[in-house]
Amino acid sequence: GNSVTQMEGPVTLSEEAFLTINCTYTATGYPSLFWYVQYPGEGLQLLLKATKADDKGSNKGFEATYRKETTSFHLEKGSVQVSDSAVYFCALSTVTSGTYKYIFGTGTRLKVLA
Amino acid sequence: GAVVSQHPSWVICKSGTSVKIECRSLDFQATTMFWYRQFPKQSLMLMATSNEGSKATYEQGVEKDKFLINHASLTLSTLTVTSAHPEDSSFYICSAKRDGLYSNQPQHFGDGTRLSIL
Repeated sequence: GNSVTQMEGPVTLSEEAFLTINCTYTATGYPSLFWYVQYPGEGLQLLLKATKADDKGSNKGFEATYRKETTSFHLEKGSVQVSDSAVYFCALSTVTSGTYKYIFGTGTRLKVLA
Repeated sequence: GAVVSQHPSWVICKSGTSVKIECRSLDFQATTMFWYRQFPKQSLMLMATSNEGSKATYEQGVEKDKFLINHASLTLSTLTVTSAHPEDSSFYICSAKRDGLYSNQPQHFGDGTRLSIL
């Protein structure tokens, strides 16, 4: 079946450190891939997306590349800030029972220290 | 664009009462909306998919009579938790898509509703 696996957190980094959050997926067909961010007490905000192999999604310094050969969509940022502290969710969108639905990873909590 | 508003953001009520949560797409028409439930420090669990003008499709294990969903217009879907009990306490999040059920457009999420049943 379809699934998304994210690295377990929490991830704790110092400000300006390099960030990688791993995400791998299992899916039939050609899913679209997304990263969402959730700040405390809020809903999810779309961070970036990629719809086909080798696409690179980017936004606010974050980027992720759709790697079909390794079924991965790792999130990276060159220099994190305290304001990046949040929970990050990797998700795929694929057809399930004839409709497009999301499958989320378990989320990775990021804490950035000043 | 693509703003989704959810109301209320927080509600506390007594066991046995019913609670209605609204989800509105403010600047686009949403043929399809989704309702999720999130337990503390866990991922989102899809409860149901609602399409404007038709019955909602519930995921396996979700009680249709407990969680009533109405999607009467292209900008509004409601989730009513009927006869709520403490085990229904959770964070409920809605999302909306611009196009229909068969479209692969991104989902846009509301800010969620924290429901506490005493």
